[in-house]
Amino acid sequence: ETGVTQTPRHLVMGMTNKKSLKCEQHLGHNAMYWYKQSAKKPLELMFVYNFKEQTENNSVPSRFSPECPNSSHLFLHLHTLQPEDSALYLCASSPLAGAYIGDEQFFGPGTRLTVL
Amino acid sequence: AQTVTQSQPEMSVQEAETVTLSCTYDTSESDYYLFWYKQPPSRQMILVIRQEAYKQQNATENRFSVNFQKAAKSFSLKISDSQLGDAAMYFCAYTASGTYKYIFGTGTRLKVLA
Repeated sequence: ETGVTQTPRHLVMGMTNKKSLKCEQHLGHNAMYWYKQSAKKPLELMFVYNFKEQTENNSVPSRFSPECPNSSHLFLHLHTLQPEDSALYLCASSPLAGAYIGDEQFFGPGTRLTVL
Repeated sequence: AQTVTQSQPEMSVQEAETVTLSCTYDTSESDYYLFWYKQPPSRQMILVIRQEAYKQQNATENRFSVNFQKAAKSFSLKISDSQLGDAAMYFCAYTASGTYKYIFGTGTRLKVLA
C-alpha cells in the first residue's frame, strides 16, 4: 500500500449503530487530519493530530470520537449519528517537519457515509 | 476570520483550450500559503500547485499556472491546453504560516468537452 488509505470506502449505518473509520498513511508523516466533505460546502476540518497528540477539535459533536494510536494510524469512532452526518469523510496527512510551514496535504480516497 | 471563496460552481472548457478558475480569500495575515487541489470523480484529492505569499513570482507546474494578486487577495488557476483528464472538482485552499488549519473553498467543477 502507498500513500493514504481509508477503510471502509462506503458505510451505511443506522442512527443507533456504532462504527469506526480507519485511516493509514504510509508516507512517514507526523500530522494527520479528519475532514468532512458535504456537497456545495467547503471541506470542514474536524480534528488534527500532531505527533499523535490532538491539537484541534473544531467544535465537533461528541458523537464523533477520534483516536490516533501512532503517527501512521487514525480512527474516527462513530455512534448515535444523525442523518445530517451523511457525507464523505476524508483523511489527510502532512509531513510537519517541525513547523507548520504550508505543507502539502496528502488525502485518502474517503469513506462515503450514509446515516439512515 | 479567514475565508476562501470560489464564485464559480461549474466551468466548461473545450479540449486544448485555456480556462481560468477564480479564487479570492480574506486574511489579515502576511505570511501564508495558497493551494489548488484537484479531486477527480471517485478519486483522491491531489495537489495541483502551491504558492507562498512572500514570493511575488507566480507558481507554475507544466500546464497549470496561477495569477497571484496579493493586494487584491486573488489566486486564480489557469489551465492551458486542457485535457479530458483535467475534468474534476478544483478546490482553492489557504493556510497561515505557523498554523495547522487549512481553509478550503466550496470548489469549482470543471468539465472538459471533447
